Amino acid sequence: GQNIDQPTEMTATEGAIVQINCTYQTSGFNGLFWYQQHAGEAPTFLSYNVLDGLEEKGRFSSFLSRSKGYSYLLLKELQMKDSASYLCAVINSNYQLIWGAGTKLIIKP
Amino acid sequence: IAGITQAPTSQILAAGRRMTLRCTQDMRHNAMYWYRQDLGLGLRLIHYSNTAGTTGKGEVPDGYSVSRANTDDFPLTLASAVPSQTSVYFCASSADVGGQGTDTQYFGPGTRLTVL
Repeated sequence: GQNIDQPTEMTATEGAIVQINCTYQTSGFNGLFWYQQHAGEAPTFLSYNVLDGLEEKGRFSSFLSRSKGYSYLLLKELQMKDSASYLCAVINSNYQLIWGAGTKLIIKP
Repeated sequence: IAGITQAPTSQILAAGRRMTLRCTQDMRHNAMYWYRQDLGLGLRLIHYSNTAGTTGKGEVPDGYSVSRANTDDFPLTLASAVPSQTSVYFCASSADVGGQGTDTQYFGPGTRLTVL
């Protein structure tokens, strides 16, 4: 089967750094997405990785290791508005997008 | 600039009734998708369309049908609703220029459906 694993919930403090991990076992790999979803809203695109390494975009960075089937999303200088769910999704060899259940991030003052 | 719109925003439906969820995009995207999102589960693909005139089945297609008569519209129909179809439904679209599903998907605001 195909599987995306993410922690269910994480808590962090405003101003701190948090790393959200995603491991995947899929039939092939053609890229990995991270999306942000605030409660009651639609998912919105954060990042896309297809090659190994770190992609930085402002306060957010995403890392990929294809050999390990592993990615993480790094959020720096956390703000209260970063409280949301973060969804990891992998494109498999059939170009299907397989979604993880998401990690709910709670930011405390 | 609307992006993707969905209607209705929410709906309470009696079991056995027929229901069509509407989805319209104004980005001229080739591909469109319907997902359902349930607590504790990832987004699950119901049906998709790579281009106008074509549709395909996703992970959980049973009980649902779609059509893609033109580029902009992608309605989802529940022929005879059942309580297990209670969920939040998201429509999404992507440019999918290469036809390989690697383009970013953009989501509509969702429809919250309750089947009693």
